[in-house]
Order: sequence, then structure tokens, then C-alpha cells
Amino acid sequence: DAGITQSPRHKVTETGTPVTLRCHQTENHRYMYWYRQDPGHGLRLIHYSYGVKDTDKGEVSDGYSVSRSKTEDFLLTLESATSSQTSVYFCAISDLAGIRQETQYFGPGTRLLVL
Amino acid sequence: RKEVEQDPGPFNVPEGATVAFNCTYSNSASQSFFWYRQDCRKEPKLLMSVYSSGNEDGRFTAQLNRASQYISLLIRDSKLSDSATYLCVVINNDMRFGAGTRLTVKP
Repeated sequence: DAGITQSPRHKVTETGTPVTLRCHQTENHRYMYWYRQDPGHGLRLIHYSYGVKDTDKGEVSDGYSVSRSKTEDFLLTLESATSSQTSVYFCAISDLAGIRQETQYFGPGTRLLVL
Repeated sequence: RKEVEQDPGPFNVPEGATVAFNCTYSNSASQSFFWYRQDCRKEPKLLMSVYSSGNEDGRFTAQLNRASQYISLLIRDSKLSDSATYLCVVINNDMRFGAGTRLTVKP
């Protein structure tokens, strides 16, 4: 299995509270991604990174920000959590991007509940 | 319309059955296609790539029909351990995931 960890694995928070999720990889892959997974929607891309300090928005980026100060770490921040951000969040990595990528490797996920 | 659509199921089949899932995609420029497997409360993992000529991996066969814009996954001789959600993935520039088809194989 690819070396990807996510922390925390579970979190309960209140509306309006800031929340930061961490993804850590030991594979030295260039590309890192944050997805959310909700019933009926599949995985949807929030933000991705193509290098240290290089990030871009995905399909559902509103209300989220990211940072990547080191190759191995990719942080996802909810500045002011809302109940609609209750979801399972997956981090993923890949060594190629776009149509050249063969696969993405996923972390174990973080279950976030916003009350 | 979603970019990638799958029948959500659930498909409930007995051990030993053959089951097939289809997935349709809307972007005709899509280049790469995959099936991922996701166990309950776990992360998705690559099951197999899908090639234009079709490909087989043991009991699993994947097919691509570009003209009709769909891909399929056939599982023969189903095992209890095949119970999972199967995600269709399509790449144009980004990876786009279907919502998944849930399979339960029963004794």
C-alpha cells in the first residue's frame, strides 16, 4: 500500500469553527489531491497541488483552502465549517497528472461531522 | 447531467453468479478509463484499467465502447469477497468518478 496517512481520522465540530485536515505521504509523489465523498455524488475534487506552494481549485472548492509547504504534506482548511461540509474527505497522490496518470493512491479518509 | 453515471444498485447475487456493471460518460474526449473498488468505510483502490481492446484479469473483464461512450465490468464466478462498491473512473484532464455500484455477494 502507498504510504499515505490522514489526520485526524474522525472529527466532530460545530458550525463556524475552523478545521484543518492533514495529508502526509512518504512516496515523494508530485501531485496531491483532496476529494470529498457524499452519497449519490461519488468523489468530487476540492483542490489539488502540482508541487510545493502550487495549488489549484477543483470542482467543489468554495469554502475550502489548501496549503502545501512541503512535498509530503497537503493541508485542507475549512475556514468556517458548515453542515454542508459534513462528508468523508480523501487525500490522494499520483506521480503523473492529467491524461498521463495511471492511477491515484488514496489515504484512509477523514470522517467529518459538522453540527 | 453527471459526467460519469452508474447504476447505484445494489446488486445482490449468489456466490458463483456472473454480474455485469455499466458506466456511461458524457465527455467524448475522455482518454483513460478505470474501475476502482471501494470496500465499506475504506478508501478506493484501483481494480483495473480499461483498454479499447478490452482486457481481462482473472475473473474480471473490462470493456470500452467509445462509440456509445460506456465502459463495463464483468465479474464471473462471484465470491463473497467481491462484495464492495465499484467505481467507474474517467479521465479527460481531471479524474471523474462515478457514484459507484454496490455489489453484495451472498452465500
